[in-house]
Amino acid sequence: EVQLVESGGGLVQPGGSLRLSCEASGFTFSRYWMHWVRQVPGKGLVWVSEIHGDGRNTNYADSVKGRFTISRDNAKNTLYLQMNSLTVEDTGIYFCVRDSAGVDYWGQGTLVTVSS
Amino acid sequence: DVVLTQSPLSLPVTLGQPASISCRSSQGLVYSDGNTYLTWIQQRPGQSPRRLIYKVSNRESGVPDRFSGSGSGTDFTLKISRVEADDIGVYYCMQGTHWPPFTFGQGTKLEIK
Repeated sequence: EVQLVESGGGLVQPGGSLRLSCEASGFTFSRYWMHWVRQVPGKGLVWVSEIHGDGRNTNYADSVKGRFTISRDNAKNTLYLQMNSLTVEDTGIYFCVRDSAGVDYWGQGTLVTVSS
Repeated sequence: DVVLTQSPLSLPVTLGQPASISCRSSQGLVYSDGNTYLTWIQQRPGQSPRRLIYKVSNRESGVPDRFSGSGSGTDFTLKISRVEADDIGVYYCMQGTHWPPFTFGQGTKLEIK
C-alpha cells in the first residue's frame, strides 16, 4: 500500500525557515517524480515544486523560486522541502504527492502557519 | 501558464441524479508523447485529495464506475451518473501537459440538495 507521511510543519515568524519531510513507503520511491502542493485551508490547490526520481531535475512555482529547495534521499525514501524567507502567503497545508501519469497518491498534509 | 476554468463552482445535486463538471483549458493539453495529462481529483471534507481520473478518461483503481471523464483539446468533463452521499466534496481538474507550473482548476463544490 502506497503511503506518504509528511512532517515538519508548524508556526514560524515571517522571514523564518522550516524543513518539511515526507516519508514514502509501499513503492519504489526512486522511480517516481514527486511534488509538493499547497492548500490554504478552505481554498484551492497550488502546485509548489517537483523533483525527478534521481533528484537531479527540479522545478518550482515562480512564487517560491529562490526561497524553497526541494530534495530527496532515495536511500531513506524521503522527500524534503526546505523553505526559507517565509511570508504569510506561504501559509497552508503542504501535501507530498507522487506522480504517475499525473499526480496520484497524496499524503495527509502538514500545516505551515507563517505569522508574527 | 495554462489556466483551467471549471464550471460550475457550486453544484447542488439531488441524490440519485447525474452531475457534470466542466474544465476548460486556455491551451490544448496534448503532450508531445500523444497523451493528454488531464486529471480529476476529489477532496472530501476533512480529507486529502484523491485521484479519480487520469489522462482524461482513465478511472483510478477502486473508483466507482459512476464516475467518468471525457473530452479533448481544451474542453473536458467529469460526469457522475448517479450522485451518492459519499460524493460530496470539492472536485478539481489539473493539467500536467504544459509544465512547469502544473495548474489546477478553481474547484467545484458538490453538495446534496
